[in-house]
Amino acid sequence: EPEVTQTPSHQVTQMGQEVILRCVPISNHLYFYWYRQILGQKVEFLVSFYNNEISEKSEIFDDQFSVERPDGSNFTLKIRSTKLEDSAMYFCASSNPLPGNTIYFGEGSWLTVV
Amino acid sequence: AQTVTQSQPEMSVQEAETVTLSCTYDTSESDYYLFWYKQPPSRQMILVIRQEAYKQQNATENRFSVNFQKAAKSFSLKISDSQLGDAAMYFCAYLTGGGNKLTFGTGTQLKVEL
Repeated sequence: EPEVTQTPSHQVTQMGQEVILRCVPISNHLYFYWYRQILGQKVEFLVSFYNNEISEKSEIFDDQFSVERPDGSNFTLKIRSTKLEDSAMYFCASSNPLPGNTIYFGEGSWLTVV
Repeated sequence: AQTVTQSQPEMSVQEAETVTLSCTYDTSESDYYLFWYKQPPSRQMILVIRQEAYKQQNATENRFSVNFQKAAKSFSLKISDSQLGDAAMYFCAYLTGGGNKLTFGTGTQLKVEL
């Protein structure tokens, strides 16, 4: 069964460093997403991406964050100058563009900023 | 803005018994979709079941079924014949018909006891 894959599964980084989280969405999907879950809290939407541009973003997704689809298979989330409060599980997800289509999640990348 | 409320932070069920997890939501839209996701200790987000708001029939997936009450804006999940592997955090989520952003509830931690 097709699945969304994410790397790394866990990353520890120093405050102020840049981090890139990588994702390979399901191959026939056209919508890509990043969600975040701070420990003990609910899952929050960060950004959606379609047709090589951001289609929607939350207020969490400020200038510190950026997304990119560098090739035909990868989808990345870059966090510049990480802060302690960026420590969270970051989920990549994908779906195809039909209305209400199910959004499938990867296993998550756990980011710890120290 | 849409909101999703899960009023039960924790629930327990005996193995082989039935448990119902509650979810209510608030929206002014008529076209939307509802989901239950399961998050086991591995923290992966796994789709359990989905419901289209335009369908009156309640969705069913094996031991999992929903009670969708559109007028009451209620979307509960029933797990029959509970198994140890059902122990997880369960999130209710809302997706607007024309959008692609999931709004999650705060989750219900389900414990399954022998």
